[in-house]
Order: sequence, then structure tokens, then C-alpha cells
Amino acid sequence: KQEVTQIPAALSVPEGENLVLNCSFTDSAIYNLQWFRQDPGKGLTSLLLIQSSQREQTSGRLNASLDKSSGRSTLYIAASQPGDSATYLCAVPFNTNAGKSTFGDGTTLTVKP
Amino acid sequence: DTGVSQDPRHKITKRGQNVTFRCDPISEHNRLYWYRQTLGQGPEFLTYFQNEAQLEKSRLLSDRFSAERPKGSFSTLEIQRTEQGDSAMYLCASSLDVSGANVLTFGAGSRLTVL
Repeated sequence: KQEVTQIPAALSVPEGENLVLNCSFTDSAIYNLQWFRQDPGKGLTSLLLIQSSQREQTSGRLNASLDKSSGRSTLYIAASQPGDSATYLCAVPFNTNAGKSTFGDGTTLTVKP
Repeated sequence: DTGVSQDPRHKITKRGQNVTFRCDPISEHNRLYWYRQTLGQGPEFLTYFQNEAQLEKSRLLSDRFSAERPKGSFSTLEIQRTEQGDSAMYLCASSLDVSGANVLTFGAGSRLTVL
């Protein structure tokens, strides 16, 4: 059974800092990995999807990397802003059905002005 | 297209009552998923549809839960004889079944509070 862990559970940084969020998974035979953002009381917004054949994906100030062999993914946020404050979750699909996924419990990020 | 819509956004009910949630996916998406999320936890998969066919149900989905997707469009999730443990956010997501690119689009969720 795939297990997804995100550490730390919470992170607080001053505005402008670069930061890294971690996601680890127990079964390295993944199809892809997706990072989401969730604002309080809201649904999830997809940030980045990395295919198993890829090493990283970039979108604006976000960069996600994937190391299947070690069962890890990181989400790098450059020059953090207060608007980045949210919970960030990673998800790994059960199999080739990428929508049926196991989620981590997320890292809650607070960026202080 | 306004994305994935869920209704109601918040439902408060008494234990033992039945509740129904509705999800309208992105129109061209053929896959629809229901997840449940409790406070401080990540979403847990409940069930999914490809078009109108319900292809898989999690063991989390007890016999008090039923989901439908008539005509492969909107979906409903009904919970009968609600229990306090059913209190959670019920999230709907849809995707287009394109190999290797099943990017999930989530709705805002329906929060259930069972008193």
C-alpha cells in the first residue's frame, strides 16, 4: 500500500525567502506525482504534475523535482510572498489512473510580510 | 466553463438524516472522482466514474453511501442515516482521460457537519 508523507507539517518563513517542501512515498513504482495548493476551506488547485519519466517541472516561481529511486519529491518556492500562504499537498496515483490518488497530509505554509 | 461546481457548499444536519451532494464537472471531462477530507488530513479517495460507469469504490464507502452519475454528466453523492463520523469535506474532482496527463481539477467542496 502506497503511503505518502509530507514533512514538515507546518512551516513559517519571512517574505522573500526561498523554501523547499518535501514529499516522500513508499512505493517507487509511481506513474506520476502531482502537487496541489489548498486555501483554508477551499478545494485543491493543481500546481504541477511530474511524469515518472521526468526529473522536474517548473511553473513561474515553483519548481518540483522527482527522484523515484529514493521515493522523494520536493516543491521549491522562490522568493516567497504572503499570497503563497496555504497548505501544499502532494499526491501519487494508485496506478495508471492518475486521478485515483494517495495524498499526503500537506504542509501548511505561512509567509509573514 | 466555470470549472467544477459543488452544491451545497455547507450542510448541517442531524444524526440519522440523509444528505445529498451534487457535483457538476468540467463539461469535456469524462472522469469524475469523489474524495473525503477531514481537518488536517489529505483527501481520501472514495469512488470514481468514467462517463456514467462507476468503476471503483473505496472500502471507505460504506453501504450508507451511494454515488451516481446519470448520463455521464453531473454526479450525486448520497449519505443515508448520517453519523457524526461522516462530518468532513466532500470533494469532487474531474479529469480528461488522456494517458499520462490526468490532471485533476477539484471543486470547492461540500462541508458536512453532522450534529
